[in-house]
Amino acid sequence: DTGVSQDPRHKITKRGQNVTFRCDPISEHNRLYWYRQTLGQGPEFLTYFQNEAQLEKSRLLSDRFSAERPKGSFSTLEIQRTEQGDSAMYLCASSTRDYRQDTQYFGPGTRLTVL
Amino acid sequence: AQKITQTQPGMFVQEKEAVTLDCTYDTSDPSYGLFWYKQPSSGEMIFLIYQGSYDQQNATEGRYSLNFQKARKSANLVISASQLGDSAMYFCAMRGYLSAGANSKLTFGKGITLSVRP
Repeated sequence: DTGVSQDPRHKITKRGQNVTFRCDPISEHNRLYWYRQTLGQGPEFLTYFQNEAQLEKSRLLSDRFSAERPKGSFSTLEIQRTEQGDSAMYLCASSTRDYRQDTQYFGPGTRLTVL
Repeated sequence: AQKITQTQPGMFVQEKEAVTLDCTYDTSDPSYGLFWYKQPSSGEMIFLIYQGSYDQQNATEGRYSLNFQKARKSANLVISASQLGDSAMYFCAMRGYLSAGANSKLTFGKGITLSVRP
């Protein structure tokens, strides 16, 4: 049983460029989450999908951020016109529809550095 | 809204000894879940243990146990027989259960660094 995978693992970009990250969840999981983690902090929620529907977005998700999950499988997170403040680890997680526990399993993350 | 507080400075423990990592929480949800994750230097968040707010017994998973004190709003992680590989950041997290599918996001604390000495 393969875990959550993310690509790329590292991304270095110049300010103003667009970047796109991909997340492949655990195959039977219908819920997918994106979090952002800055140095010395815990992960902060960005957005959540159930199947292909984006059900919740954080206020952290500015207009420059967009996430999709077109067929209810993999998801992409795009950041347009990157800023130095976007430098962070972007974590993806997935879970099954288990109302009580709904444990989220995380991928290895994509570390973004904006120069 | 949920809030997680982890205020311990970096923790040190001798190999094979037990260690307790503190976590306090605050929530207005009547039903909620508490999670602990481990994050090694590689960056991946590894799920360790879960405690539901209405579970009658404290959760245990191998060397991990959760000391859940609902009235005090605390959910401390106990690691028994520490190993060198336990050196990592540890995060406490929670989610509320207002209704099925709602509030799915996890709220994390700032984490605690644990170093295991040989």
